[in-house]
Amino acid sequence: DGGITQSPKYLFRKEGQNVTLSCEQNLNHDAMYWYRQDPGQGLRLIYYSQIVNDFQKGDIAEGYSVSREKKESFPLTVTSAQKNPTAFYLCASSKDWNEAFFGQGTRLTVV
Amino acid sequence: KQEVTQIPAALSVPEGENLVLNCSFTDSAIYNLQWFRQDPGKGLTSLLLIQSSQREQTSGRLNASLDKSSGRSTLYIAASQPGDSATYLCAVRGWGAGSYQLTFGKGTKLSVIP
Repeated sequence: DGGITQSPKYLFRKEGQNVTLSCEQNLNHDAMYWYRQDPGQGLRLIYYSQIVNDFQKGDIAEGYSVSREKKESFPLTVTSAQKNPTAFYLCASSKDWNEAFFGQGTRLTVV
Repeated sequence: KQEVTQIPAALSVPEGENLVLNCSFTDSAIYNLQWFRQDPGKGLTSLLLIQSSQREQTSGRLNASLDKSSGRSTLYIAASQPGDSATYLCAVRGWGAGSYQLTFGKGTKLSVIP
């Protein structure tokens, strides 16, 4: 089945720790995105990538980093510099700027 | 900067009723508009995509319209069912240099009462 796979579904981070969220797609899409969702707020763009080895900051990139070494993969690292990382993280992809498809999300909690 | 508003924030209707969800946006220079459904604790499921040159799109019991000049879109759900209960999100993609950006509304939480 074609789609976007995010893992893990739940992730717990200790203070000062870096954690990496995985996002893999088999839709052959060039564009990939990371969004953050907080209760009562709309989705906010963290990073996006149009092609391999290229990515751009979104509205809330501080404290996050990404890589795009393969077309299929766009992992997100939440660094210790992100002061309020508890949120629901969503990965998406699209062919050019057309219909966007989302994964099932990763819920990150700071313990 | 594009802003997307969805009103109401929550809606409760009896089963079988037809209903309309509203989405408004401030910048009419859009590339397309997409409606999504989100179930609690889950990702987003794409429902309908309307290109800026289109007026409406239909899929089953769903019909989405777009009036770009007035900055409005509506999602019409016919003969609502309890399984339609979810949060519905509207997202607008900008034009030109802003095409990478999907700007989301905060959603309308729909409850269909059996």
